[in-house]
Amino acid sequence: SQKIEQNSEALNIQEGKTATLTCNYTNYSPAYLQWYRQDPGRGPVFLLLIRENEKEKRKERLKVTFDTTLKQSLFHITASQPADSATYLCALAPGANNLFFGTGTRLTVIP
Amino acid sequence: GAVVSQHPSWVICKSGTSVKIECRSLDFQATTMFWYRQFPKQSLMLMATSNEGSKATYEQGVEKDKFLINHASLTLSTLTVTSAHPEDSSFYICSAPLSGTYTDTQYFGPGTRLTVL
Repeated sequence: SQKIEQNSEALNIQEGKTATLTCNYTNYSPAYLQWYRQDPGRGPVFLLLIRENEKEKRKERLKVTFDTTLKQSLFHITASQPADSATYLCALAPGANNLFFGTGTRLTVIP
Repeated sequence: GAVVSQHPSWVICKSGTSVKIECRSLDFQATTMFWYRQFPKQSLMLMATSNEGSKATYEQGVEKDKFLINHASLTLSTLTVTSAHPEDSSFYICSAPLSGTYTDTQYFGPGTRLTVL
């Protein structure tokens, strides 16, 4: 069966460190992979999209990698800040007409 | 960036009543909108795809007679939960991509918290 797993339900790190979140998938061949941030009681906010032929993408303090051989994406936040505390969701788009979300990782950055 | 709004942000209703949730794209036209449901500590589950000018497409296991979707215009989609029951209590979120497909950035609404007593 198809599955999207994010490494842990919760991750605590110290302010200033780099947070690394993992998204593993099975039985998908996604053309695109997206990362979103969701705050409690709010809808997700788009962060980054990476295509299957791209290895890495960056945006300010964010970096995403996409390894289609390992079927894995890593999401990094460098110089983390307490304001980065939120739930981060990965989402796969196997095609143009569907998007599947992982269960999310709740990140807490400790001052 | 593009903005998607939802109304109401929360609603409490009695079992057996119907509830309508609106999703609007405020500064762009959305030929396609998507409706999700999210239970506590779970991820978003796609319920249906709302298409302007045609019938909605429902995901497997979602009752189309219970969750009525109407894409009335290029900026408005509504989800009506008919004869709501406590198990329908959830967080309902809509999204709209600029290009109409999942290969584009999805802009999400703020969500609607439905509680059925």
